[in-house]
Amino acid sequence: KAGVTQTPRYLIKTRGQQVTLSCSPISGHRSVSWYQQTPGQGLQFLFEYFSETQRNKGNFPGRFSGRQFSNSRSEMNVSTLELGDSALYLCASSPGFETDTQYFGPGTRLTVL
Amino acid sequence: GNSVTQMEGPVTLSEEAFLTINCTYTATGYPSLFWYVQYPGEGLQLLLKATKADDKGSNKGFEATYRKETTSFHLEKGSVQVSDSAVYFCALSDGLTNAGKSTFGDGTTLTVKP
Repeated sequence: KAGVTQTPRYLIKTRGQQVTLSCSPISGHRSVSWYQQTPGQGLQFLFEYFSETQRNKGNFPGRFSGRQFSNSRSEMNVSTLELGDSALYLCASSPGFETDTQYFGPGTRLTVL
Repeated sequence: GNSVTQMEGPVTLSEEAFLTINCTYTATGYPSLFWYVQYPGEGLQLLLKATKADDKGSNKGFEATYRKETTSFHLEKGSVQVSDSAVYFCALSDGLTNAGKSTFGDGTTLTVKP
């Protein structure tokens, strides 16, 4: 099976702009989760989607949003970018049940100037 | 809420040395426990997991045992190689109430020198 893919791999934006990141899960997986990884804060959970519905949400401002499509692909959007949004954004997929392992993509490296 | 505490790094070892990376957790219920590894420029890869107390996860010479009495999941390897140099993350998943949400430790950077 193909793994989790994320596009683009690298992005450079300026403050105030918005950005959309994409994640394609492993075929058959219905859950997609997003994490932000920074040197200072480590890995922080953003949100999780299951069958097109947001099932869990972390403690991030409303500028961070996401959605999931009927084919389980997911997008994450960040509006009004701030310098502190520079991070590696990781997407993970799983079948979506209790003890399922999450499979991570390579991440999108976002740099905000 | 849930939390994971890993031993602080970085850790530097010589090839063939014994490795232990400590991990303790706080969680309600009965979480599943994981160790992930991250190589430079890449995402996280699952190294091993355990889903219930006293389970031992193992992979590529690495082992960890789910200890409910001490709320620990320490990672061990008997003889490390240069290729094991990476960042290691301990994580838990409380699937019942927090499906799709894993809680991670801060990561431990391991460097193995020849």
